[in-house]
Amino acid sequence: DAKTTQPPSMDCAEGRAANLPCNHSTISGNEYVYWYRQIHSQGPQYIIHGLKNNETNEMASLIITEDRKSSTLILPHATLRDTAVYYCIVNGGTSYGKLTFGQGTILTVHP
Amino acid sequence: EPEVTQTPSHQVTQMGQEVILRCVPISNHLYFYWYRQILGQKVEFLVSFYNNEISEKSEIFDDQFSVERPDGSNFTLKIRSTKLEDSAMYFCAGGTGSFQPQHFGDGTRLSIL
Repeated sequence: DAKTTQPPSMDCAEGRAANLPCNHSTISGNEYVYWYRQIHSQGPQYIIHGLKNNETNEMASLIITEDRKSSTLILPHATLRDTAVYYCIVNGGTSYGKLTFGQGTILTVHP
Repeated sequence: EPEVTQTPSHQVTQMGQEVILRCVPISNHLYFYWYRQILGQKVEFLVSFYNNEISEKSEIFDDQFSVERPDGSNFTLKIRSTKLEDSAMYFCAGGTGSFQPQHFGDGTRLSIL
């Protein structure tokens, strides 16, 4: 699985958009980009995933660059409850769905 | 919305004892996973399970670990002879396809004394 690089931490004001970047320059053509988050010590929570097109759901938007070497997760109106560790994970190829978690980005949403 | 449920939420066990962690996946899940997270560290993959057999396992998943889905609903992780270093949060996850989103339970905190 391709390796991902994320900033260790980011801050965001409540009500503003949070834009979390991720680099995955070694991604291969059949690998998806997934985003999960973990609040405190709860189980990771799926947010969104995509292959090459931009995606949007009720939680977030995912913007993938045309060369697929990087992506951005957008939380359009961050709330205090969005404070969490956000993981960008590339998954696909020959794995049976194994998710390889990195250290992620600690997003802190301030009042 | 259906959830993945794990029991117990906290298990305290003496070193050397066997422990069984239980998970009830969402009913339409076909792929099942166990992960663990040692306090302050990354979430680590242990094993994936599909069609009643292990499809992939990590180096952590040695002979002391086993998984099964005996009755078509519960998915269990057994550690035969626990060690101090097995203390961690253990998360179960399930999905409808190998590259579909995985839905995680809230974990079992395993404490080995």
